[in-house]
Amino acid sequence: DAKTTQPPSMDCAEGRAANLPCNHSTISGNEYVYWYRQIHSQGPQYIIHGLKNNETNEMASLIITEDRKSSTLILPHATLRDTAVYYCIVSAYSNYQLIWGAGTKLIIKP
Amino acid sequence: GAVVSQHPSRVICKSGTSVKIECRSLDFQATTMFWYRQFPKQSLMLMATSNEGSKATYEQGVEKDKFLINHASLTLSTLTVTSAHPEDSSFYICSARVSTVGGNQPQHFGDGTRLSIL
Repeated sequence: DAKTTQPPSMDCAEGRAANLPCNHSTISGNEYVYWYRQIHSQGPQYIIHGLKNNETNEMASLIITEDRKSSTLILPHATLRDTAVYYCIVSAYSNYQLIWGAGTKLIIKP
Repeated sequence: GAVVSQHPSRVICKSGTSVKIECRSLDFQATTMFWYRQFPKQSLMLMATSNEGSKATYEQGVEKDKFLINHASLTLSTLTVTSAHPEDSSFYICSARVSTVGGNQPQHFGDGTRLSIL
């Protein structure tokens, strides 16, 4: 599976959009980009995933560059409850395993 | 939808005890479930992949005789930590995938079990 690179930490003001970047320059054509988050002492929560088109759901938007070498997760109106570690993971269609990096610790400030 | 229930949420027991952790997919069928372990301030580490009706596949370095996995139905997988010792103390998390033809369905996670061995 391709590796991902994320900033170790980010701050965002409450009510603002939080934009979390992820680099996956070695991504293969059949690999999806998944985003999860983990709030302290809880199991990870699935947020969104995509292949090459931008995706949006009730939680967030996922913007994938045309060359698919990077992506951005957007939380449109961050709240204090969005404080968590956010993981960007790439995984192939036929490979069900998720390899977890260190993620980005997002702190939402009042 | 896609709710995974994990039980118990916390276990404290003496060294040498065996501990069973249950993972249930409540509103979907899961042919594949995963077991992870997470130590403090570290990322999740995959321990094993559990397929319904067959033997689990363990990651390198994970002792299959110590961490017994049973996936007897499409909604239930269990992890038994046998003869647990203090070094087995950790946060154990399960996940499950919706059983569909497509392979891009995400994993959905339980809330984890914090195991403390005294």
